[in-house]
Amino acid sequence: AQKITQTQPGMFVQEKEAVTLDCTYDTSDPSYGLFWYKQPSSGEMIFLIYQGSYDQQNATEGRYSLNFQKARKSANLVISASQLGDSAMYFCAMREGLYSSASKIIFGSGTRLSIRP
Amino acid sequence: NAGVMQNPRHLVRRRGQEARLRCSPMKGHSHVYWYRQLPEEGLKFMVYLQKENIIDESGMPKERFSAEFPKEGPSILRIQQVVRGDSAAYFCASSLGLAGGHAYEQYFGPGTRLTVT
Repeated sequence: AQKITQTQPGMFVQEKEAVTLDCTYDTSDPSYGLFWYKQPSSGEMIFLIYQGSYDQQNATEGRYSLNFQKARKSANLVISASQLGDSAMYFCAMREGLYSSASKIIFGSGTRLSIRP
Repeated sequence: NAGVMQNPRHLVRRRGQEARLRCSPMKGHSHVYWYRQLPEEGLKFMVYLQKENIIDESGMPKERFSAEFPKEGPSILRIQQVVRGDSAAYFCASSLGLAGGHAYEQYFGPGTRLTVT
């Protein structure tokens, strides 16, 4: 079974609009963390935002917010007021067992976001 | 405060040759992770190492691939007798480990793009 599912392979959005990138996850571990990374065409992985499974509030970082719905196991990324520089691949990821030594991050297949001027 | 360093950034090898990828973690980090990204896919975990120890190699192919993180010097991912299917981007990440319970902070390097001809 897929641990991280991103159902939108590609999205086109008009500049200045808000955009939501979908992510659902699957885990039986009560202690986990969820991440979003941005990968521009240059290839580096840029950390955007993190949400812990025990965090009460949805995470926010500038124009990025994470819509965390624990019961539905979803962790959608919302980008407000999109900019041309937001065009990139976006990966949702999860780390299980936050307080154990097993530390790998599991990535989804990604969503390619294209911002239209 | 240098980030995670990887070299080379680009590596071209002929089929059957060996590839050596190097990763220098952030200063003070003693945990290193290697991930592989095939074209148009998300990152897949390969191996997790601490100084002189392999902690989790569940994502590493059983043959031709090996990794080390010696007491001194960078972590090395070694691929022997490369094949075309090894062509991918290889990312290294480092972390402090379980410091303060915030084990999620993995910082990614810029990646090494391996092309096998």
